[in-house]
Amino acid sequence: DAGVIQSPRHEVTEMGQEVTLRCKPISGHDYLFWYRQTMMRGLELLIYFNNNVPIDDSGMPEDRFSAKMPNASFSTLKIQPSEPRDSAVYFCASTPGGYAEAFFGQGTRLTVV
Amino acid sequence: RKEVEQDPGPFNVPEGATVAFNCTYSNSASQSFFWYRQDCRKEPKLLMSVYSSGNEDGRFTAQLNRASQYISLLIRDSKLSDSATYLCVVPYNAGNMLTFGGGTRLMVKP
Repeated sequence: DAGVIQSPRHEVTEMGQEVTLRCKPISGHDYLFWYRQTMMRGLELLIYFNNNVPIDDSGMPEDRFSAKMPNASFSTLKIQPSEPRDSAVYFCASTPGGYAEAFFGQGTRLTVV
Repeated sequence: RKEVEQDPGPFNVPEGATVAFNCTYSNSASQSFFWYRQDCRKEPKLLMSVYSSGNEDGRFTAQLNRASQYISLLIRDSKLSDSATYLCVVPYNAGNMLTFGGGTRLMVKP
């Protein structure tokens, strides 16, 4: 398996623009997580899915953020409109669940200017 | 209180030194735990799993103290290549939701 695949690797956008981050989890993993990492706040869990259903989105900072998982092999995290404070590295991770190891994608480095 | 707390460091140690990190957690129901390693500008990767009282893998030893709700990571004979950020991970919700500590940064110097 190629592992968790995220795209794009880097994204630079202007404030107010819509940003869409994409993730393909490892096949057979029932859980998918979106994390955001900054120097100030570390690695924060934004939302996670079980079998394509959002389970906990309490970490989503505000209504400008939304996430979907239309099928077992694809998820998106959308920010609309984007703001400079959204600049961070966004990681997607997947796991079979039940205390198993989580595997991370290489992340998307987002810069909002 | 944060769910998972770590000393952010940095810990600056010479090659060959022994260094230990602690992590405290608030969820007493967690059955097992993890230490992840994150290199600069890379994704986190699993270093060790911690079950029952602890685990050892070469120069790395992880210990669990359930009564006090803390996990430790001991690195012996540290190498330059050990320089990284070490993340303590506590599963919640029957092990299905991984909560990360803020990480402890280690810098090993010649």
